[in-house]
Amino acid sequence: DAEITQSPRHKITETGRQVTLACHQTWNHNNMFWYRQDLGHGLRLIHYSYGVQDTNKGEVSDGYSVSRSNTEDLPLTLESAASSQTSVYFCASSERTSSTDTQYFGPGTRLTVL
Amino acid sequence: AQKVTQAQTEISVVEKEDVTLDCVYETRDTTYYLFWYKQPPSGELVFLIRRNSFDEQNEISGRYSWNFQKSTSSFNFTITASQVVDSAVYFCALSEGSRDSNYQLIWGAGTKLIIKP
Repeated sequence: DAEITQSPRHKITETGRQVTLACHQTWNHNNMFWYRQDLGHGLRLIHYSYGVQDTNKGEVSDGYSVSRSNTEDLPLTLESAASSQTSVYFCASSERTSSTDTQYFGPGTRLTVL
Repeated sequence: AQKVTQAQTEISVVEKEDVTLDCVYETRDTTYYLFWYKQPPSGELVFLIRRNSFDEQNEISGRYSWNFQKSTSSFNFTITASQVVDSAVYFCALSEGSRDSNYQLIWGAGTKLIIKP
Protein backbone atom coordinates (compact mmCIF):
# COMPACT_ATOMS: atom_id res chain seq x y z
CA ASP A 1 0.00 0.00 0.00
CA ALA A 2 1.11 3.53 -0.71
CA GLU A 3 2.05 5.48 2.36
CA ILE A 4 3.93 8.40 3.83
CA THR A 5 6.65 7.76 6.38
CA GLN A 6 8.75 9.96 8.62
CA SER A 7 12.01 9.25 10.35
CA PRO A 8 13.11 9.35 13.02
CA ARG A 9 9.91 9.17 15.06
CA HIS A 10 11.64 10.66 18.07
CA LYS A 11 14.78 12.79 18.20
CA ILE A 12 16.62 14.53 20.99
CA THR A 13 19.32 16.98 20.02
CA GLU A 14 21.27 19.86 21.46
CA THR A 15 21.01 23.55 20.74
CA GLY A 16 23.07 24.60 17.75
CA ARG A 17 23.21 21.21 16.05
CA GLN A 18 21.97 20.64 12.52
CA VAL A 19 19.09 18.20 12.35
CA THR A 20 17.39 16.63 9.34
CA LEU A 21 13.96 15.04 9.48
CA ALA A 22 13.07 12.69 6.67
CA CYS A 23 9.75 12.40 4.85
CA HIS A 24 9.10 9.78 2.19
CA GLN A 25 5.86 9.14 0.29
CA THR A 26 5.08 6.38 -2.16
CA TRP A 27 1.90 7.88 -3.60
CA ASN A 28 3.78 9.77 -6.30
CA HIS A 29 2.14 12.97 -5.08
CA ASN A 30 3.30 16.27 -6.50
CA ASN A 31 2.71 18.35 -3.39
CA MET A 32 4.49 17.88 -0.09
CA PHE A 33 4.23 19.92 3.10
CA TRP A 34 5.93 20.25 6.46
CA TYR A 35 4.01 21.40 9.53
CA ARG A 36 4.82 21.82 13.17
CA GLN A 37 2.26 21.26 15.89
CA ASP A 38 2.51 23.00 19.23
CA LEU A 39 0.04 23.33 22.06
CA GLY A 40 -1.96 26.50 21.64
CA HIS A 41 -0.92 26.98 17.99
CA GLY A 42 -2.43 24.06 16.18
CA LEU A 43 -0.74 23.15 12.90
CA ARG A 44 1.52 25.71 11.28
CA LEU A 45 3.01 25.40 7.81
CA ILE A 46 6.81 25.49 7.61
CA HIS A 47 7.64 24.78 3.96
CA TYR A 48 5.96 23.22 0.99
CA SER A 49 6.81 21.93 -2.46
CA TYR A 50 4.77 21.51 -5.62
CA GLY A 51 7.27 19.27 -7.35
CA VAL A 52 10.91 18.43 -7.93
CA GLN A 53 13.21 21.42 -7.46
CA ASP A 54 10.32 23.54 -6.19
CA THR A 55 10.24 24.78 -2.58
CA ASN A 56 8.29 27.56 -0.88
CA LYS A 57 8.24 29.17 2.53
CA GLY A 58 5.29 28.81 4.80
CA GLU A 59 4.12 30.70 7.83
CA VAL A 60 7.00 29.73 10.14
CA SER A 61 9.96 29.03 7.88
CA ASP A 62 12.73 30.84 9.77
CA GLY A 63 15.43 28.43 10.86
CA TYR A 64 14.24 25.65 8.54
CA SER A 65 15.07 24.60 5.00
CA VAL A 66 13.89 21.93 2.57
CA SER A 67 15.03 20.54 -0.74
CA ARG A 68 13.16 18.44 -3.27
CA SER A 69 15.45 16.36 -5.47
CA ASN A 70 12.87 13.69 -6.30
CA THR A 71 9.12 13.18 -6.09
CA GLU A 72 9.17 10.89 -3.07
CA ASP A 73 11.23 12.83 -0.52
CA LEU A 74 11.12 16.21 1.19
CA PRO A 75 13.68 16.34 4.02
CA LEU A 76 13.37 19.15 6.54
CA THR A 77 16.61 20.60 7.93
CA LEU A 78 16.98 22.67 11.05
CA GLU A 79 20.17 24.59 10.35
CA SER A 80 21.01 25.33 13.98
CA ALA A 81 18.47 23.82 16.34
CA ALA A 82 16.94 26.06 18.98
CA SER A 83 14.84 25.19 22.02
CA SER A 84 11.92 27.01 20.38
CA GLN A 85 11.97 24.34 17.69
CA THR A 86 10.99 21.63 20.15
CA SER A 87 7.76 20.40 18.60
CA VAL A 88 6.00 17.62 16.78
CA TYR A 89 6.66 17.76 13.04
CA PHE A 90 4.27 16.40 10.46
CA CYS A 91 4.88 15.80 6.80
CA ALA A 92 1.95 15.66 4.38
CA SER A 93 1.40 15.11 0.68
CA SER A 94 -1.39 15.69 -1.81
CA GLU A 95 -1.90 14.50 -5.33
CA ARG A 96 -2.17 17.35 -7.79
CA THR A 97 -1.61 21.07 -7.98
CA SER A 98 -5.13 21.80 -6.87
CA SER A 99 -6.49 23.09 -3.62
CA THR A 100 -9.17 20.46 -3.78
CA ASP A 101 -6.78 17.72 -2.99
CA THR A 102 -6.70 16.14 0.39
CA GLN A 103 -3.48 16.21 2.35
CA TYR A 104 -2.44 12.91 3.86
CA PHE A 105 -0.15 12.97 6.84
CA GLY A 106 2.81 11.00 8.06
CA PRO A 107 2.96 9.69 11.63
CA GLY A 108 4.93 12.66 12.93
CA THR A 109 8.37 13.22 14.45
CA ARG A 110 8.70 14.40 18.02
CA LEU A 111 11.78 16.62 18.26
CA THR A 112 13.25 17.82 21.52
CA VAL A 113 16.00 20.43 21.50
CA LEU A 114 17.89 20.66 24.79
CA ALA B 1 -9.05 37.02 5.60
CA GLN B 2 -9.58 33.30 5.85
CA LYS B 3 -10.11 31.79 9.26
CA VAL B 4 -11.44 28.64 10.90
CA THR B 5 -12.93 28.77 14.38
CA GLN B 6 -13.57 25.78 16.57
CA ALA B 7 -15.00 27.43 19.64
CA GLN B 8 -15.24 24.24 21.70
CA THR B 9 -11.84 23.60 23.20
CA GLU B 10 -12.89 20.40 24.93
CA ILE B 11 -16.05 18.33 25.08
CA SER B 12 -16.69 15.45 27.44
CA VAL B 13 -19.63 13.08 27.07
CA VAL B 14 -20.60 9.65 28.26
CA GLU B 15 -20.40 6.78 25.83
CA LYS B 16 -23.44 6.33 23.56
CA GLU B 17 -24.35 10.00 23.71
CA ASP B 18 -24.49 12.00 20.50
CA VAL B 19 -22.05 14.87 20.22
CA THR B 20 -21.62 17.72 17.74
CA LEU B 21 -18.37 19.51 17.07
CA ASP B 22 -18.74 23.00 15.68
CA CYS B 23 -16.70 24.58 12.91
CA VAL B 24 -17.21 28.11 11.61
CA TYR B 25 -15.15 29.43 8.74
CA GLU B 26 -14.46 32.74 7.03
CA THR B 27 -13.45 33.16 3.42
CA ARG B 28 -14.00 35.60 0.58
CA ASP B 29 -13.64 32.94 -2.09
CA THR B 30 -16.74 31.46 -3.67
CA THR B 31 -14.87 28.22 -4.28
CA TYR B 32 -13.40 26.57 -1.24
CA TYR B 33 -13.02 23.21 0.45
CA LEU B 34 -13.61 22.12 3.98
CA PHE B 35 -12.00 19.22 5.77
CA TRP B 36 -12.19 17.34 9.04
CA TYR B 37 -9.25 15.44 10.47
CA LYS B 38 -9.02 13.25 13.55
CA GLN B 39 -5.96 13.07 15.80
CA PRO B 40 -6.26 10.17 18.25
CA PRO B 41 -4.06 9.92 21.36
CA SER B 42 -1.49 8.01 19.29
CA GLY B 43 -0.81 11.28 17.46
CA GLU B 44 -1.36 10.61 13.78
CA LEU B 45 -3.62 12.84 11.69
CA VAL B 46 -6.40 10.95 9.97
CA PHE B 47 -8.42 12.42 7.13
CA LEU B 48 -12.17 12.11 7.64
CA ILE B 49 -13.94 14.16 4.98
CA ARG B 50 -13.57 16.81 2.30
CA ARG B 51 -16.48 18.93 1.11
CA ASN B 52 -16.49 21.58 -1.62
CA SER B 53 -18.41 24.82 -1.41
CA PHE B 54 -20.85 23.86 -4.15
CA ASP B 55 -22.11 20.77 -2.42
CA GLU B 56 -24.27 21.54 0.59
CA GLN B 57 -25.67 18.06 0.94
CA ASN B 58 -25.14 16.53 4.32
CA GLU B 59 -22.79 13.58 4.46
CA ILE B 60 -23.23 10.47 6.55
CA SER B 61 -20.65 7.79 7.07
CA GLY B 62 -21.66 5.24 9.65
CA ARG B 63 -21.94 7.01 12.99
CA TYR B 64 -20.38 10.17 11.57
CA SER B 65 -22.32 12.92 9.85
CA TRP B 66 -21.48 16.38 8.64
CA ASN B 67 -23.77 19.36 8.25
CA PHE B 68 -22.56 22.04 5.83
CA GLN B 69 -24.48 25.32 5.87
CA LYS B 70 -23.17 28.15 3.73
CA SER B 71 -25.73 30.55 5.17
CA THR B 72 -24.06 30.33 8.56
CA SER B 73 -20.55 29.47 7.27
CA SER B 74 -20.54 26.32 9.33
CA PHE B 75 -19.41 22.76 8.78
CA ASN B 76 -20.38 20.86 11.88
CA PHE B 77 -19.51 17.27 12.70
CA THR B 78 -21.79 14.94 14.64
CA ILE B 79 -20.93 11.59 16.13
CA THR B 80 -23.94 9.46 16.90
CA ALA B 81 -23.81 6.90 19.71
CA SER B 82 -20.29 7.89 20.64
CA GLN B 83 -17.71 5.28 21.59
CA VAL B 84 -14.55 5.46 23.66
CA VAL B 85 -12.51 5.00 20.47
CA ASP B 86 -13.89 8.31 19.23
CA SER B 87 -11.83 10.11 21.87
CA ALA B 88 -9.45 12.33 19.95
CA VAL B 89 -8.72 15.87 18.91
CA TYR B 90 -10.73 16.84 15.86
CA PHE B 91 -9.57 19.54 13.47
CA CYS B 92 -11.57 21.45 10.92
CA ALA B 93 -9.65 23.02 8.03
CA LEU B 94 -10.32 25.27 5.04
CA SER B 95 -8.67 25.42 1.64
CA GLU B 96 -9.49 28.23 -0.73
CA GLY B 97 -9.96 27.59 -4.41
CA SER B 98 -8.08 30.54 -5.82
CA ARG B 99 -4.53 30.22 -7.07
CA ASP B 100 -3.42 32.70 -4.44
CA SER B 101 -4.27 30.18 -1.75
CA ASN B 102 -1.14 28.22 -2.63
CA TYR B 103 -3.05 25.05 -1.82
CA GLN B 104 -2.62 25.64 1.86
CA LEU B 105 -4.92 24.48 4.58
CA ILE B 106 -6.13 26.94 7.19
CA TRP B 107 -6.57 25.02 10.42
CA GLY B 108 -8.88 25.44 13.36
CA ALA B 109 -7.40 25.08 16.82
CA GLY B 110 -9.06 21.71 17.30
CA THR B 111 -11.64 20.30 19.70
CA LYS B 112 -10.60 17.66 22.19
CA LEU B 113 -13.35 15.09 22.52
CA ILE B 114 -13.39 12.84 25.57
CA ILE B 115 -15.76 9.90 25.60
CA LYS B 116 -16.19 8.42 29.06
CA PRO B 117 -17.16 4.75 29.42
